[in-house]
Amino acid sequence: DIQMTQSPASLSASLGETVSIECLASEGISNDLAWYQQKSGKSPQLLIYAASRLQDGVPSRFSGSGSGTRYSLKISGMQPEDEADYFCQQSYKYPPTFGSGTKLEIK
Amino acid sequence: QVKLQQSGAELVKPGASVKLSCKTSGYTFSTSYMSWFKQIPGQSIEWIGMIYAGDGGTGYNQKFKGKATLTVDTSSSTAYMDLSSLTTEDSAVYFCARPKGGYEDVMDAWGQGASVTVSS
Repeated sequence: DIQMTQSPASLSASLGETVSIECLASEGISNDLAWYQQKSGKSPQLLIYAASRLQDGVPSRFSGSGSGTRYSLKISGMQPEDEADYFCQQSYKYPPTFGSGTKLEIK
Repeated sequence: QVKLQQSGAELVKPGASVKLSCKTSGYTFSTSYMSWFKQIPGQSIEWIGMIYAGDGGTGYNQKFKGKATLTVDTSSSTAYMDLSSLTTEDSAVYFCARPKGGYEDVMDAWGQGASVTVSS
């Protein structure tokens, strides 16, 4: 299975701050990478797919980039509602696998 | 709009089985895939498997073969997952999720989750 190494495990940011979360795949995944946001007690919500495509309805402060084995999610201007867990997921090979998650909190 | 409504929390004894449901609305279920996921609270997410409602064809994560069985009822637009021979390691929240059009392994709609607690 493809291993997804996500960092950092936790992050604290001030309102308006720009934050980045990284995912490193154990092999190349050809931009088949999605990012999800999961608020406490809720189901995951799709933010980004195909590494950089913004899901409909997701604020433009969220962006994704990367290639090969390295990918990142950027939040440009932290908002209170962005406090959540974030997960990357590869869909290049079966089974789809997820990163270990990043807990993002407001400082 | 697209909705995936899952069945409620379950408390089951070790060795028992449980059947979870995921009732859908707002899209054409009969020509769609459905995936299921496991998440232990505070941990990451695991893909269990997927089913194509059109013909009932399935694909499973090797880790969950023999543990999970996926089925559908197209007449009620409902997907089911049977979990068998439950142990405490099966205690988790289980989600159903629908793939985004054109991306069968990217999920753009999720159920609210169903908590399964295995305890004697």
